[in-house]
Amino acid sequence: AQKITQTQPGMFVQEKEAVTLDCTYDTSDPSYGLFWYKQPSSGEMIFLIYQGSYDQQNATEGRYSLNFQKARKSANLVISASQLGDSAMYFCAMREGVQDDKIIFGKGTRLHILP
Amino acid sequence: DTGVSQNPRHKITKRGQNVTFRCDPISEHNRLYWYRQTLGQGPEFLTYFQNEAQLEKSRLLSDRFSAERPKGSFSTLEIQRTEQGDSAMYLCASSLVKFGWTDYEQYFGPGTRLTVT
Repeated sequence: AQKITQTQPGMFVQEKEAVTLDCTYDTSDPSYGLFWYKQPSSGEMIFLIYQGSYDQQNATEGRYSLNFQKARKSANLVISASQLGDSAMYFCAMREGVQDDKIIFGKGTRLHILP
Repeated sequence: DTGVSQNPRHKITKRGQNVTFRCDPISEHNRLYWYRQTLGQGPEFLTYFQNEAQLEKSRLLSDRFSAERPKGSFSTLEIQRTEQGDSAMYLCASSLVKFGWTDYEQYFGPGTRLTVT
């Protein structure tokens, strides 16, 4: 079974609108961390936001927020007031446990911001 | 701080040749990771180091692949007898991890794109 599922292969959004990128995860470990990374066409992976499984509040970083619904195993990324520079691939990822340090990535969502 | 750097950025090689990639992590980071990313997929974990010790290797890492981090600073990833299926982007990342930390992130380099012809 896939550990990280991103069901939207591509999305088109009008500039300045908010956008939600979906992510569901699967783990039986009570301790885990969830990440979102952005990958522009240049190829580097840019860290956006982190949510720990024990964090009580949803993580926020500037225009990025993570809608964490633990019971549903959902960790959607919300980008407010989208900009043309937000066009990129977005990956949801998870680190399980406290000993294991590998990150498991989803297949990504390609976001296109339209002017 | 110059971030994580990788060299070369692009490598074209013929099937059967050996290739070596280098990764220089952020200077104070004690952990270094290698990932592989094929077209249309997310990165897949290959291996990681805590200082000079290689702590975990993925089953994806066949015996043709070897990684080292001899002095706990830079790392090399060597692929012997390359195959066309090895064509991918090889990403390196680093992080600073202290005992008990859980909320740390991995900083990625720009990657080395390998094409095996």
